[in-house]
Amino acid sequence: NAGVMQNPRHLVRRRGQEARLRCSPMKGHSHVYWYRQLPEEGLKFMVYLQKENIIDESGMPKERFSAEFPKEGPSILRIQQVVRGDSAAYFCASSSGKTQYFGPGTRLLVL
Amino acid sequence: RKEVEQDPGPFNVPEGATVAFNCTYSNSASQSFFWYRQDCRKEPKLLMSVYSSGNEDGRFTAQLNRASQYISLLIRDSKLSDSATYLCVVNKDYGGSQGNLIFGKGTKLSVKP
Repeated sequence: NAGVMQNPRHLVRRRGQEARLRCSPMKGHSHVYWYRQLPEEGLKFMVYLQKENIIDESGMPKERFSAEFPKEGPSILRIQQVVRGDSAAYFCASSSGKTQYFGPGTRLLVL
Repeated sequence: RKEVEQDPGPFNVPEGATVAFNCTYSNSASQSFFWYRQDCRKEPKLLMSVYSSGNEDGRFTAQLNRASQYISLLIRDSKLSDSATYLCVVNKDYGGSQGNLIFGKGTKLSVKP
């Protein structure tokens, strides 16, 4: 059983471009969570999704950030018009109920 | 007050030492508690859940004090491979499903030969 998969693992963008981060949950998992880890900081919750529904987006910045988890395909975290402050590691986690399992993360660097 | 607070360390200990980490949380309604481990530039991995009665997994012992809103992790007979950052994590339950996790910033452990 493959674990949580994220791609790309590393992403470089220039200011103003868009970043799309993908997360494929573990087989059988219908809950997906996105977290952000800024350099030298702890992980911060961003958004919690189930298939086709956003359950909790209380950690999402009000502008430029969006997330989806369609009926088919991976969950997508989209960052429009990236700024240098968006440079961070973005981790996705999935669960079927209690325990969350984390993917390897996408490291975004904004130049 | 931060939601989850930990001593950032670093804790530098020799192999074989016993080391203890502490953590406090601010939301008395929190229901689930965990210790995760994060190696440098890797994803967090669940080390163990923490139960009110205390629980042990090999060399690792976790304790929870709900009245004091305090969580601890004890590592006995430290190994070089225990070197990592240990994350105290508290759960915001959604009626049974796990909900979002609140992470402390972590305590860094370095075990030396």
